[in-house]
Amino acid sequence: AQSVSQHNHHVILSEAASLELGCNYSYGGTVNLFWYVQYPGQHLQLLLKYFSGDPLVKGIKGFEAEFIKSKFSFNLRKPSVQWSDTAEYFCAVNAGTGGFKTIFGAGTRLFVKA
Amino acid sequence: EAGVAQSPRYKIIEKRQSVAFWCNPISGHATLYWYQQILGQGPKLLIQFQNNGVVDDSQLPKDRFSAERLKGVDSTLKIQPAKLEDSAVYLCASSQNPGHTEAFFGQGTRLTVV
Repeated sequence: AQSVSQHNHHVILSEAASLELGCNYSYGGTVNLFWYVQYPGQHLQLLLKYFSGDPLVKGIKGFEAEFIKSKFSFNLRKPSVQWSDTAEYFCAVNAGTGGFKTIFGAGTRLFVKA
Repeated sequence: EAGVAQSPRYKIIEKRQSVAFWCNPISGHATLYWYQQILGQGPKLLIQFQNNGVVDDSQLPKDRFSAERLKGVDSTLKIQPAKLEDSAVYLCASSQNPGHTEAFFGQGTRLTVV
């Protein structure tokens, strides 16, 4: 069965620090990968996605993620975080042979100190 | 573009009572999902519809949960009878198709069972 693991449940950074959130999935076939973000009091929204092609994908608000197939990883990065990036971040994966059901990780709660 | 609408936003019920949630997806979206998000965890897929047919309901506790999507548009999720462990946020999401497109989420319904 598909599964997604996110390594850090809570991360605290100061503004301008660099961010990397880890995500690993367990599925051997072709997958579609997503990072979603949930800002305080708001609904989940897409940050970026990977389907095929360039393994380095860029999303909104300066976020990027790199798909490393050999490591089954899709880590999220941002070179310099802002206070407004305080949110919960979820990695998700779906796969065709799984009926394209989207499985989410447990989430990483990021707090950025001003 | 109107987003995914859910109601109610909050619901408090006693255990063994029944409750129903409603979701109106984005117009034209064929795929509709119901997720359960327990505090501190990522969203867990309960059921996925493609138009008005069920694609996956493997994690739906069918002895107490039921869902329908009449006419392939709106959907309702029902719990009868509720248990304390059903306390969670119930998220509805929709997408144009189940594979390569992102899912758009509603605000969710926060259910508290006392």
